[in-house]
Amino acid sequence: RKEVEQDPGPFNVPEGATVAFNCTYSNSASQSFFWYRQDCRKEPKLLMSVYSSGNEDGRFTAQLNRASQYISLLIRDSKLSDSATYLCVVNDHNAGNMLTFGGGTRLMVKP
Amino acid sequence: DVKVTQSSRYLVKRTGEKVFLECVQDMDHENMFWYRQDPGLGLRLIYFSYDVKMKEKGDIPEGYSVSREKKERFSLILESASTNQTSMYLCASSSPAAGGQQETQYFGPGTRLLVL
Repeated sequence: RKEVEQDPGPFNVPEGATVAFNCTYSNSASQSFFWYRQDCRKEPKLLMSVYSSGNEDGRFTAQLNRASQYISLLIRDSKLSDSATYLCVVNDHNAGNMLTFGGGTRLMVKP
Repeated sequence: DVKVTQSSRYLVKRTGEKVFLECVQDMDHENMFWYRQDPGLGLRLIYFSYDVKMKEKGDIPEGYSVSREKKERFSLILESASTNQTSMYLCASSSPAAGGQQETQYFGPGTRLLVL
């Protein structure tokens, strides 16, 4: 079983739609959580950190459910430029700040 | 603005060749990492380093070695390249987070290595 699991997609949505991705993690000791975005043939870049209380950044909302060990990312009013792969990432501080990446969920926003 | 650079965007090597991948960061970060990324497998950690001359094995260190002689530079070495090392190689750097902050890793643009 993978440590961080994501639906690979692709999620094909029209512009303006709301789309949500979930991610589950197996290590209950995980302490930090992130969503990274990776464009085709580019490097991953931090989209947002995920805090226990949930957090919002413009059209993006991230939530953490520690009891069920899953993380979600909600994108509202999706734009063509949101088309990318979204990587769920967890960090166990006890393991020396190593990040564990999910395989990514591919989003394609169509006109 | 953090900048992580990698020596090559694309490389083609032959089986058995020794391959050097260089990574340089300009933010005085203590931590540096090498990953490979393959379709369906995501990013997997090869090696990382917390300080000059220090190195730690990641999840898939076999067939690789690293060198960190200077703080800003972290090299990945394939002693004898094999076809199963064809992949996208990504370098990253980070700095230990201050209390309460979450550490962010910054990635280089990646090197696509093809081993024939």
